[in-house]
Amino acid sequence: GEDVEQSLFLSVREGDSSVINCTYTDSSSTYLYWYKQEPGAGLQLLTYIFSNMDMKQDQRLTVLLNKKDKHLSLRIADTQTGDSAIYFCAERSGNTGKLIFGQGTTLQVKP
Amino acid sequence: SQTIHQWPATLVQPVGSPLSLECTVEGTSNPNLYWYRQAAGRGLQLLFYSVGIGQISSEVPQNLSASRPQDRQFILSSKKLLLSDSGFYLCAWSFGGPSYEQYFGPGTRLTVT
Repeated sequence: GEDVEQSLFLSVREGDSSVINCTYTDSSSTYLYWYKQEPGAGLQLLTYIFSNMDMKQDQRLTVLLNKKDKHLSLRIADTQTGDSAIYFCAERSGNTGKLIFGQGTTLQVKP
Repeated sequence: SQTIHQWPATLVQPVGSPLSLECTVEGTSNPNLYWYRQAAGRGLQLLFYSVGIGQISSEVPQNLSASRPQDRQFILSSKKLLLSDSGFYLCAWSFGGPSYEQYFGPGTRLTVT
């Protein structure tokens, strides 16, 4: 079945780069997404990538997709304390409008 | 621009009481609508989704139900709450395609006592 996995926790120093990794199982996934959730809030869409792309960059965010290994990563350059949050990876389920979410990675940014 | 609202923001209800959570979307028409539950700040569980008025798909059998009485209104209900219904309930909407990215509301924190 469809499954999305992420490591649960990542700690970095302010100013360093953060790399959050995600693996998925559905080779037919057409779109993959990254969301950010701050404490007590809903999920904020950060970016998404179409499966025919290898990379997508948006300001401090870089998404890399390795379709062969079914591996997705989110790189945050010059990480700030405001980037502390839970980051969720998600894949689109087949041809439906449903998304399958990972368990989320808690990013802790130390000053 | 589109906005999504959820209310109430927080709710404390006793076991066995009814529940009604409301979600409305502004600035778009015929959106796909979704209800999720998030337990302990982790993993989102899709509960229901709807592609149109009166069209509801249930993902997980439980004592919750959903309704879509209007195009941009999605309601989550229960006749009798269980302790296990406690959690953070999130509503989301998406366009019909092709990327189906979902946009989330601020959520409702439900505590069943």
